[in-house]
Amino acid sequence: ILNVEQSPQSLHVQEGDSTNFTCSFPSSNFYALHWYRWETAKSPEALFVMTLNGDEKKKGRISATLNTKEGYSYLYIKGSQPEDSATYLCAPNYGGSQGNLIFGKGTKLSVKP
Amino acid sequence: DTAVSQTPKYLVTQMGNDKSIKCEQNLGHDTMYWYKQDSKKFLKIMFSYNNKELIINETVPNRFSPKSPDKAHLNLHINSLELGDSAVYFCASSQEGVAGEETQYFGPGTRLLVL
Repeated sequence: ILNVEQSPQSLHVQEGDSTNFTCSFPSSNFYALHWYRWETAKSPEALFVMTLNGDEKKKGRISATLNTKEGYSYLYIKGSQPEDSATYLCAPNYGGSQGNLIFGKGTKLSVKP
Repeated sequence: DTAVSQTPKYLVTQMGNDKSIKCEQNLGHDTMYWYKQDSKKFLKIMFSYNNKELIINETVPNRFSPKSPDKAHLNLHINSLELGDSAVYFCASSQEGVAGEETQYFGPGTRLLVL
């Protein structure tokens, strides 16, 4: 059974704080690592696809890194805003083009104004 | 335009009934998926279809059957509903690309409650 762990489970920060959270997963035979952002009552939306070259990805104030050897990824949010409040899911792909994403339970971020 | 749509959004039904949830994508994607968000809030893959071929079938009871009339649709049929089937079911789709890097686009979910 492939176990994808995310920590912390939940996080409460003030507007303007920078924060980060972790995804750890079995590093053998994975093809890529996906990050999704999931707002309450909406669908999960793709944030980043972290590829095996390990390049950092960045979108505005959000960035992510990947350690392919040890099987972990960090998601960073700089200067958190209330609209960043969501659950952040990570999902390594172990099936190649068969798309077998194994989702973690997510980190629920709440940003207070 | 909604990229991945599901109907119905909410489904309340009695134990033992048979029901279907429909999914449509207008993205021209090759692969469609069904996920179940379980009681512990994990998203778990149930099925995927690529060009009408089932390519993933996790340990899902055979009361659940995916049906794909064409590339843009993947419907989920559930027979003899049980209380434990109550969950949120998400449809998703992706376009074949670099292996493992294909982004999946999710529908809004169908909240199923079995009484």
